[in-house]
Amino acid sequence: EVQLLESGGGLVQPGGSLRLSCAASGFTFSSYAMSWVRQAPGKGLEWVSAISGSGGSTYYADSVKGRFTISRDNSKNTLYLQMNSLRAEDTAVYYCAKEGGPRPGTTEGERPFDYWGQGTLVTVSS
Amino acid sequence: SYVLTQPPSVSVAPGKTARITCGGNNIGSKSVHWYQQKPGQAPVLVIYYDSDRPSGIPERFSGSNSGNTATLTISRVEAGDEADYYCQVWDSSSDKVFGGGTKLTVL
Repeated sequence: EVQLLESGGGLVQPGGSLRLSCAASGFTFSSYAMSWVRQAPGKGLEWVSAISGSGGSTYYADSVKGRFTISRDNSKNTLYLQMNSLRAEDTAVYYCAKEGGPRPGTTEGERPFDYWGQGTLVTVSS
Repeated sequence: SYVLTQPPSVSVAPGKTARITCGGNNIGSKSVHWYQQKPGQAPVLVIYYDSDRPSGIPERFSGSNSGNTATLTISRVEAGDEADYYCQVWDSSSDKVFGGGTKLTVL
């Protein structure tokens, strides 16, 4: 059974930093790309960042580029999101999501998010 | 940037058919995925690659995609289908994009 368990959320002041973790189990972690997706209170879903299975390729939404860093430790089956220079608008529930496997005729980026964690709340406020 | 447009809300009586649309420029050329999110819960994938259903998702859920509109169809709607639904695509310039979400109300 695939399980994704986020941790590391909490209250942080504007300009501060926080590191989120996502512990994965139930699948071969290094074989799958992973993403972070966030949801501000009462709002919709927003993709934040993605990383390839090897960790060699990373991708970011414009809203977090230069402030957030995604990484993974395949020996520990864990995904990370280092968040610096946090702003009030970064307040959200942050979900980690596993991307699906390859499908002939499609690109890596087109894969769906087939499993999600339960999320961790990040609140940026003074 | 690529934009996906969903109606904010759709209402349907139990046993009827609900259709939730997702509009985007030439979305028919892209792979569309749909997620269901119930209050306080994480999203769940209900349709992927336009029309495929993950195991465990009822056959009542189906999808289509053509031209500028993708559609999630829920047949014989049940009270338990009440949730927010999001479409999602990948775009070469915007990366992964979600629609704004549609709240499905079962009357």
